[in-house]
Amino acid sequence: GNSVTQMEGPVTLSEEAFLTINCTYTATGYPSLFWYVQYPGEGLQLLLKATKADDKGSNKGFEATYRKETTSFHLEKGSVQVSDSAVYFCALSDQGRRNTPLVFGKGTRLSVIA
Amino acid sequence: DSGVTQTPKHLITATGQRVTLRCSPRSGDLSVYWYQQSLDQGLQFLIQYYNGEERAKGNILERFSAQQFPDLHSELNLSSLELGDSALYFCASSPTPFRGRAVNTGELFFGEGSRLTVL
Repeated sequence: GNSVTQMEGPVTLSEEAFLTINCTYTATGYPSLFWYVQYPGEGLQLLLKATKADDKGSNKGFEATYRKETTSFHLEKGSVQVSDSAVYFCALSDQGRRNTPLVFGKGTRLSVIA
Repeated sequence: DSGVTQTPKHLITATGQRVTLRCSPRSGDLSVYWYQQSLDQGLQFLIQYYNGEERAKGNILERFSAQQFPDLHSELNLSSLELGDSALYFCASSPTPFRGRAVNTGELFFGEGSRLTVL
């Protein structure tokens, strides 16, 4: 079945540091890939997405590239801010079947200190 | 604001009790999903409804049940509650694809969650 593996946290960085959160996936078809973010006390918000190989999703300075050859979708940001402190979830959806549940990784907690 | 509404936001109850969590999807979305988020298990998919019918089932306990009503809101019923049921319960909805157009890339829109504490 489909699955997502992401690096375990917590990750603690200083402000303006470079961020990478690794995510790899296993899928039988051609999934869409997502990064969701959960700020303290809130629900999950879509951060970025990519629907096919070599697509790059980007938003709020975050980027992730859909790499089919390495089955990866690593999240990166060049310079993190304290406001980026949150839990980040990598997820996939079976693009061949609409309206299906997303499969999530276990989440990576990021803490950014000033 | 995702457009998905969940109530109540917080709920404290005792073991053995029963609770009902409510979700209103985004306007026009036919699919509703329920997820459980606990500290040790991450986000676990429980169940999905599409236009009133059960569509997919995940790791949902037999003590839990759900339904989707004609107005598309959904309820998750948790009974014979145990301490381990304490968690955040999220509802999500997804856009409905139109014939011939792939408007749905699979993303889900989440509510803010209902935090259940079982004492």
